[in-house]
Amino acid sequence: EAQVTQNPRYLITVTGKKLTVTCSQNMNHEYMSWYRQDPGLGLRQIYYSMNVEVTDKGDVPEGYKVSRKEKRNFPLILESPSPNQTSLYFCASSLAWVSEQFFGPGTRLTVL
Amino acid sequence: GENVEQHPSTLSVQEGDSAVIKCTYSDSASNYFPWYKQELGKRPQLIIDIRSNVGEKKDQRIAVTLNKTAKHFSLHITETQPEDSAVYFCAAPASGGGADGLTFGKGTHLIIQP
Repeated sequence: EAQVTQNPRYLITVTGKKLTVTCSQNMNHEYMSWYRQDPGLGLRQIYYSMNVEVTDKGDVPEGYKVSRKEKRNFPLILESPSPNQTSLYFCASSLAWVSEQFFGPGTRLTVL
Repeated sequence: GENVEQHPSTLSVQEGDSAVIKCTYSDSASNYFPWYKQELGKRPQLIIDIRSNVGEKKDQRIAVTLNKTAKHFSLHITETQPEDSAVYFCAAPASGGGADGLTFGKGTHLIIQP
C-alpha cells in the first residue's frame, strides 16, 4: 500500500530534550516536506527536500533540522525543543511540487 | 515568496446549498493551485487541483475556477452534504515557479447545517 508514515504519532517532552520525528514514504517520491499546523495559521512549511542530500528552508525553519540521506526517509530533528514548538506536524511527499502531496498521519508534539 | 490569502475562515451553509471558498495569490508566475480537505483528526487530502492553462475544472459536485488576471481561484461545492464538513486549504507554489514547495492558505472551516 502506497503511504507516508510518521513516528511517533504523539509525543510529550520537556524543554531542551532532543527529539526526532521520523517520516518514511514507499512511493519513490523525490519531493518531501515538513509542515506544522497551528490553529488559525494553517499549514506552514518548515523544510523541504527535492532529492537525496538536497534540503532547504521553508517559511518557519527556526529551531528545526532535517536530513535526507535516503530517498524514502526525511526525519525532522528538534535539537532543543521549546514550548512554542508545541504543534501538529505533518510530513508529505510528492512526485513533483506541482502534483498531489501525500501527507502522513501527523505527529502531535507537546513541549512542556 | 508567494502569499496566499483565503476567505472566509468559517463558512456555515444549509445542507443542499452551495459553498464557495476564495483564495488570492501574489506571484503571477504561479501555475498550480490545489485544494486540500482535512476532516477532523485526519490528514489533509487533495480533492481537486487546477493548472494555469485552464480556467475551470469540475469533479462531480466540486469545481475550481481560476482567474489569472485577478490572481484568485475559488472552490465551489454544490449540493452540500454532511460529509463535506471539514477544513479546506488552498495552496500555490511557494515561489511561483514551483521549485520549493507549496504555500497554503490559513484554511476555511466549512460547517454543513442539517
